[in-house]
Amino acid sequence: AQSVTQLGSHVSVSEGALVLLRCNYSSSVPPYLFWYVQYPNQGLQLLLKYTSAATLVKGINGFEAEFKKSETSFHLTKPSAHMSDAAEYFCAVSFTGGGNKLTFGTGTQLKVEL
Amino acid sequence: SAVISQKPSRDICQRGTSLTIQCQVDSQVTMMFWYRQQPGQSLTLIATANQGSEATYESGFVIDKFPISRPNLTFSTLTVSNMSPEDSSIYLCSVVAGGFNEQFFGPGTRLTVL
Repeated sequence: AQSVTQLGSHVSVSEGALVLLRCNYSSSVPPYLFWYVQYPNQGLQLLLKYTSAATLVKGINGFEAEFKKSETSFHLTKPSAHMSDAAEYFCAVSFTGGGNKLTFGTGTQLKVEL
Repeated sequence: SAVISQKPSRDICQRGTSLTIQCQVDSQVTMMFWYRQQPGQSLTLIATANQGSEATYESGFVIDKFPISRPNLTFSTLTVSNMSPEDSSIYLCSVVAGGFNEQFFGPGTRLTVL
């Protein structure tokens, strides 16, 4: 069985500060990992994905994530937060042979303060 | 990628009635899913919409409550039947488009049941 744990349901950072959103996964087979962002009253937008090609993955809007197998982690980072980054962020896992299904974490609400 | 539209974008319904949500994709896709996002919660997979056959439901979801149609490779509907206030949620459709189980989401339908 596969699962995703996001530590911290709410994260608050100052504008210009580092953003770090944590995601740990559990999977018995090599996973595909994703980060999605949901802005208020909108659907989900794919930020980035890990597909085993490279452990450091760069996504849109300056976000990146590093896959660490030894730590079963896929944390999302951005060097400098912007007010427009305020949103809900979801980590999700899938794997080959799983029927293309995604299992989502519980989400992290990012607040960016002046 | 894929561009997905949903109708309606939001609705307010009375207890005991039914609502049908439409999902339209701009290209033919094999895999299409329906999710529910309850207030303040993460996404939960309702079912996989299969073209030409009955949908595959996840544990806790049944066809009588959430009948799904998939008449072709670009369109699907989800009906929420005999609604109660507990059905108040955002309902999202998604499709797999591209490799590695990457899913693209529609903007969602925000349902409020009174």
